[in-house]
Amino acid sequence: AQSVTQLDSQVPVFEEAPVELRCNYSSSVSVYLFWYVQYPNQGLQLLLKYLSGSTLVKGINGFEAEFNKSQTSFHLRKPSVHISDTAEYFCAVILNTGFQKLVFGTGTRLLVSP
Amino acid sequence: EAQVTQNPRYLITVTGKKLTVTCSQNMNHEYMSWYRQDPGLGLRQIYYSMNVEVTDKGDVPEGYKVSRKEKRNFPLILESPSPNQTSLYFCASSSRTARSTDTQYFGPGTRLTVL
Repeated sequence: AQSVTQLDSQVPVFEEAPVELRCNYSSSVSVYLFWYVQYPNQGLQLLLKYLSGSTLVKGINGFEAEFNKSQTSFHLRKPSVHISDTAEYFCAVILNTGFQKLVFGTGTRLLVSP
Repeated sequence: EAQVTQNPRYLITVTGKKLTVTCSQNMNHEYMSWYRQDPGLGLRQIYYSMNVEVTDKGDVPEGYKVSRKEKRNFPLILESPSPNQTSLYFCASSSRTARSTDTQYFGPGTRLTVL
């Protein structure tokens, strides 16, 4: 069975500092990988996704993620965060077999303070 | 504007009183899904639908029902709600069914409290 692990439940950072949110997955087959963001009192919206090709994926709001097959990771990064990046971030995976279901990690809450 | 809408946004009810949470999308999407979000557990899929009259169980279907009589609507029904169904519920839709790598669009969420 596929699973997604987000190692940090909460990440506090100061404004303009860099941040990395970690995501690891377990799967014996190839996968598609996603990062979603949930701002307070809102639904989820897609930040970025990796389907194939370049392992470095750029998303909205200055975020990027790198797919590392050997380490089964898909960490999310931003070089300089803003207060407005405060949100919960979910990593998700779809197996590349048959009908594909989106499986979410438990989420990481990013807290940006001045 | 392309969107997924849910109603109500907030609901407080009592154990055993049947309720329905509606979900509607205006993007002509085939695939629709319901998730519940609980602290420390992330989002877990309740039910999904690949098209009209085609529904299937997700990971946590117990205590829930769904129907898909029209392409745009996918209501979630709790026949006899219990306190362990207190949660934040999200509806989502996407355009494809066989290969769901297309972006899923999420509704704004429904916060349900069962007393």
